[in-house]
Amino acid sequence: GESVGLHLPTLSVQEGDNSIINCAYSNSASDYFIWYKQESGKGPQFIIDIRSNMDKRQGQRVTVLLNKTVKHLSLQIAATQPGDSAVYFCAEAGGSQGNLIFGKGTKLSVKP
Amino acid sequence: DAGVIQSPRHEVTEMGQEVTLRCKPISGHDYLFWYRQTMMRGLELLIYFNNNVPIDDSGMPEDRFSAKMPNASFSTLKIQPSEPRDSAVYFCASSLNRGRKPGANVLTFGAGSRLTVL
Repeated sequence: GESVGLHLPTLSVQEGDNSIINCAYSNSASDYFIWYKQESGKGPQFIIDIRSNMDKRQGQRVTVLLNKTVKHLSLQIAATQPGDSAVYFCAEAGGSQGNLIFGKGTKLSVKP
Repeated sequence: DAGVIQSPRHEVTEMGQEVTLRCKPISGHDYLFWYRQTMMRGLELLIYFNNNVPIDDSGMPEDRFSAKMPNASFSTLKIQPSEPRDSAVYFCASSLNRGRKPGANVLTFGAGSRLTVL
């Protein structure tokens, strides 16, 4: 079926270290992927997206990697800061209507 | 733009009562989505509209749930009668279609409406 899942529900890193958040997807027909950050009490906030014709895309301190062979997506955050503490969701546009399907999220905790 | 505006931010009600959640999308956006978030099920798409027309409501849990979009700047999600299992955070999101599938555009989410049904 169509589903997006996360390998790690929680991730704790030291401030200044790099963080890697992983995501698996099951629909090989998905052609668009997106990462959202959700802070406590707020709605999800767009971080970065990538289309299936790419395998890497970089933003400010963030990089998304897409491996279509194993249907795996990752978000790398460089020099993690306390303000990066949040729940991170990956999503794929793979539903029958092309809707975004969200994973259950990974909580990132940054230790000072 | 103030972003996607949702109200109320918090709602506590008793089982059997009617609940109405409201959303004002970003001006100019042509897609509007309603999501529900719970710890157990994560973010679930309930329904979405394109140019005020409901396109897919297959995620609406049951007939107790209904959504309307009378114009481009307003949408409501109504639960009647409400039940304790409806307790969740309800998010509204909007996007501007750039010629792709509905989900293949960046969604901007509101701050959510936290519903507690006692």
